[in-house]
Amino acid sequence: VQLVQSGAELKKPGASVKVSCKASGYTFTGYYTHWVRQAPGQGLEWMGWINPNTADTRYAQEFQGRVTMTSDTSIRTAYLELNSLTSYDTAVYYCARKSVSESNGYDFWGQGTLVTVSS
Amino acid sequence: QSVLTQPPSVSGAPGQSVTISCTGSSSNIGAGYDVHWHQQLPGTAPKLLIFGNTKRPSGVPDRFSASKSGTSASLAITGLQAEDEADYYCQSYDSSLSGPVFGGGTQLTVL
Repeated sequence: VQLVQSGAELKKPGASVKVSCKASGYTFTGYYTHWVRQAPGQGLEWMGWINPNTADTRYAQEFQGRVTMTSDTSIRTAYLELNSLTSYDTAVYYCARKSVSESNGYDFWGQGTLVTVSS
Repeated sequence: QSVLTQPPSVSGAPGQSVTISCTGSSSNIGAGYDVHWHQQLPGTAPKLLIFGNTKRPSGVPDRFSASKSGTSASLAITGLQAEDEADYYCQSYDSSLSGPVFGGGTQLTVL
C-alpha cells in the first residue's frame, strides 16, 4: 500500500491550492481517504474525508465552504482543494487511508505536502 | 485546544518505561469510540501504532501497549530505546463534532 502526494506549493494569500494523493496497492474504492493537516510545530487536525466509491464527503466544520475533496477512481487519486488561503493555512497536508469502521485507525499515510502561504 | 488532552511531554531513560495519557469526554472516548495511537518520528508522516484501543499492527514491537477505561486511554512503552523518541498522538471519534479528533500530541524524549 502506498499513498503518494504531490509536491510542495507556495501560494499567495487569497489563492487556492489543490493537493493530490495517488493510491496504489489496494482497492481504492474500498477505503475512505481522509485529509489531515499539521501546522508548523503543531498537532494533527482532521479536515474531512471522501468515499471514493460514492463521492460522498464530510468536512470538518471549520473548513466548510472553503474546502473541496474529490477523487478520480480511474487513476486512483484523491484531491484536496482549499480556497481563500491565509497564512494560517501554512501546514503539511496529509492524506490517509481509513476503513469506514471507527474501530480502525489511519493505517497508511501519504508522505505529506507542504503548503506555504506567503505574500 | 484539542478535544483529546495529552501531556505535552514525557521522558525516560533507555530501558525504562513511560506512559502517555489521553483524556476525552462523554462524546468521544466515554461514548465507547475506539482509541488509536500514532507515532510521528521527526520530519516524517505519522504511523499507526495502536488501533482499536489495544491492537498492534503487524511490525509494531510488543514494547508498545495501550488500554482504555472510561473517558481516558493510555499508551505504555517499555524498554525505552533511542529510536522511540517521537511525537505520539491519540485519536478517536467525536459524536458531537461528527468526525475524528486528535489529542494535542506528546513529545517523548529518551534521555
